[in-house]
Amino acid sequence: AQSVAQPEDQVNVAEGNPLTVKCTYSVSGNPYLFWYVQYPNRGLQFLLKYITGDNLVKGSYGFEAEFNKSQTSFHLKKPSALVSDSALYFCAVRDISGEYGGSQGNLIFGKGTKLSVKP
Amino acid sequence: NAGVTQTPKFQVLKTGQSMTLQCAQDMNHNSMYWYRQDPGMGLRLIYYSASEGTTDKGEVPNGYNVSRLNKREFSLRLESAAPSQTSVYFCASKGEGYTFGSGTRLTVV
Repeated sequence: AQSVAQPEDQVNVAEGNPLTVKCTYSVSGNPYLFWYVQYPNRGLQFLLKYITGDNLVKGSYGFEAEFNKSQTSFHLKKPSALVSDSALYFCAVRDISGEYGGSQGNLIFGKGTKLSVKP
Repeated sequence: NAGVTQTPKFQVLKTGQSMTLQCAQDMNHNSMYWYRQDPGMGLRLIYYSASEGTTDKGEVPNGYNVSRLNKREFSLRLESAAPSQTSVYFCASKGEGYTFGSGTRLTVV
């Protein structure tokens, strides 16, 4: 079964320190992976995606993610955290098989990780 | 501004009442989606529409119906609301990437 796991419910980081938000996946075939951010009372905003190519993907707001096929991981990273980065972060994988309803292409989301950056 | 617009933003219903959540996008996208977001469970797909005139069930369709009125609009209807449908509902459309609305916070008492 296809799935996405975000093992940490919450990540706490001091401003200026590097941050990592973890994501692992399970899919058959090559994965299409995404990161989204949700600020309070807002919809999800796209950060970055991995389809193919370089394992290090750069995205919006200084975020990047590293695709690791052997570890089936797609961790989100930022070299220096800002207080304004505090939000809920979702990892997602494209539903290749259609097992979560409908045809191929719908996104399967992880449960989300709350990032808290303190001054 | 281009994007996905959802109405209403907040709603309180009594058990058994019905309501329709509205969604419209102005990006000329073919695919539209309805998700619900519950604490600790991420987003789960309720229904989706790959194009005007077509709709399909997602992971959690029970208790919901949808209508793809035209290419712009995709509505979600609760015929007889239940407390288990208390959630935040997001509409999204897909072009090159997904664009989400700001959500409808629904409470069923």
